[in-house]
Amino acid sequence: DSGVTQTPKHLITATGQRVTLRCSPRSGDLSVYWYQQSLDQGLQFLIQYYNGEERAKGNILERFSAQQFPDLHSELNLSSLELGDSALYFCASSVGGGTGSGYEQYFGPGTRLTVT
Amino acid sequence: AQKITQTQPGMFVQEKEAVTLDCTYDTSDQSYGLFWYKQPSSGEMIFLIYQGSYDEQNATEGRYSLNFQKARKSANLVISASQLGDSAMYFCAMREGTNNNDMRFGAGTRLTVKP
Repeated sequence: DSGVTQTPKHLITATGQRVTLRCSPRSGDLSVYWYQQSLDQGLQFLIQYYNGEERAKGNILERFSAQQFPDLHSELNLSSLELGDSALYFCASSVGGGTGSGYEQYFGPGTRLTVT
Repeated sequence: AQKITQTQPGMFVQEKEAVTLDCTYDTSDQSYGLFWYKQPSSGEMIFLIYQGSYDEQNATEGRYSLNFQKARKSANLVISASQLGDSAMYFCAMREGTNNNDMRFGAGTRLTVKP
């Protein structure tokens, strides 16, 4: 158990809908990252927050948005869902936001999103 | 261009033997971090080992060691004394020191340990 929690574990929804994925980082971690894992795209970095502020942006679509709250939990909002958004969405956390030792990311169990 | 390349889609190893999973990377940054993760069939991503670009010693964590060859830009994972529970996908990843700051993952290598 990494200490990172994600809810829900599974989500099935229809095209055009909007969903919210939730993540609670490990105790003491200030950085939260979101990733999308699909069969055709592999594991893709979406966005990073550090202590409530957006720190880095990856391949995140405009239909997707995220935020990190004062209690450090984070939410990823996916709207106008398309079939191609079906994937495993991971949240990860780390102590800081840099590249050094101690900044390894610990992943949550993921949310499997199925868009029908 | 691919930042992280894992050229072995699948690998087999006999139980109790050692195995090397290849990873090469591409960066112009001087400061970067290299990571290996394991993803069993249950789906979770498990952090295994970290190597910093300025670290002079190869990282080791139990049965895992990282063969870091900076000039060749390679960061191969060595698993010693393979166990059946090591069967999983293994991902190499890199985080660069620029403001971009995102983590790039390779396509992964599926390791199967044979009894």
